[in-house]
Amino acid sequence: AQSVTQLDSHVSVSEGTPVLLRCNYSSSYSPSLFWYVQHPNKGLQLLLKYTSAATLVKGINGFEAEFKKSETSFHLTKPSAHMSDAAEYFCVVSQNSGGYQKVTFGTGTKLQVIP
Amino acid sequence: DGGITQSPKYLFRKEGQNVTLSCEQNLNHDAMYWYRQDPGQGLRLIYYSQIVNDFQKGDIAEGYSVSREKKESFPLTVTSAQKNPTAFYLCASSMARQGETNYGYTFGSGTRLTVV
Repeated sequence: AQSVTQLDSHVSVSEGTPVLLRCNYSSSYSPSLFWYVQHPNKGLQLLLKYTSAATLVKGINGFEAEFKKSETSFHLTKPSAHMSDAAEYFCVVSQNSGGYQKVTFGTGTKLQVIP
Repeated sequence: DGGITQSPKYLFRKEGQNVTLSCEQNLNHDAMYWYRQDPGQGLRLIYYSQIVNDFQKGDIAEGYSVSREKKESFPLTVTSAQKNPTAFYLCASSMARQGETNYGYTFGSGTRLTVV
């Protein structure tokens, strides 16, 4: 069985300060991990993904995430928040289940950026 | 530009009525998915299809039906049996084939369905 837990439903940061969105996962096998971003009333956009290569993954818009197997974590970070980063972020785990790609979404973290 | 098109953007349904949500992709992806999104619950899988003329139930398939007659198209019908259909519906596609896990999804912009 696999699961993903996003530890904070809401995170608030000031513009220009670092962003940390936390994600822990549970998976029976070596998973692939993803972060997506969703702006209001829009679809989800892929930010970055980890697929067993480098543990530090760089994505779009200055975001990056580090895969830590010992901590079963895949936290999303950004050195300096912009107003345009205000959105909801989803952590996703994916593994092979009976020959198909089983994907589990976290419940999301809403990021608020204060001017 | 390649992508996924969902239509309509907003849809209103009367009690006891079936409605169909459209999803079309020109990415040449084999796999397509329908998700339902409710506040605070993340995304829940309704149906998925890995190839044409084949589809499988997801976690919350009751009250929904799909077809996959063409690679590009994966329409979702919300039937009158779905008791609480008001939600945001997202279609996605992936180039993942059977057993592949490292492909991300491309999402459409969603359809917001409201029961009136």
